[in-house]
Amino acid sequence: EVQLVESGGGLVQPGRSLRLSCAASGFTFDDYAMHWVRQAPGKGLEWVSGISWNSNSIGYADSVKGRFTISRDNANNSLYLQMNSLRAEDTALYFCAKALNHLLWFNPMDVWGQGTTVTVSS
Amino acid sequence: DIQMTQSPSSLSASVGDRVTITCRASQSSSNYLNWYQHKPGKAPKLLIYAASSLQSWVPSRFSGSGSGTDFTLTISSLQPEDFATYYCQQSYSIPWTFGQGTKVEIK
Repeated sequence: EVQLVESGGGLVQPGRSLRLSCAASGFTFDDYAMHWVRQAPGKGLEWVSGISWNSNSIGYADSVKGRFTISRDNANNSLYLQMNSLRAEDTALYFCAKALNHLLWFNPMDVWGQGTTVTVSS
Repeated sequence: DIQMTQSPSSLSASVGDRVTITCRASQSSSNYLNWYQHKPGKAPKLLIYAASSLQSWVPSRFSGSGSGTDFTLTISSLQPEDFATYYCQQSYSIPWTFGQGTKVEIK
């Protein structure tokens, strides 16, 4: 069974950092691009960042560019999101999602995790 | 960035009704338009990709159409399990962008 399990969320003060992880299982992780998507309380879905299978192609939403860094460890079937200089508006449920194939471009996200909650507050 | 606008933002419908949700892009996204179904407390699920290709789990009452800037999601006969929020998303140009969502509620 294809499964994505996010972890690392929590309560953090504004300006601090947090690192999210996503553990993948049930598929050949390094055959697929991966993404992070978030949903703020009471709001819709917002794409945060994506990375190709070999990490050569990476993209970010304008709202997180320069503060967040996506990475992956194919040997350990894991995806990461390093979040620095956190702001109140980063408060959200963060989902990890698998792309339909190895390319970052053009492909939808066909499998999603249950999410991990990040709350930025003093 | 490509802005995605869905309409309506919400709708009330009865079981058996035909439901149509539209999604308009601020510039062409070719046919790189995807639809997701999201229920509270659950992971979003990919319904339709490339504007009209159904995922294997999706019943045939769902269909998608359109290209360029105008797209449509249609549910031909609404079923109880279809009550959810639906999002369109373009995967043509980074940053990927979602529509604001359409909440389908029971009348």
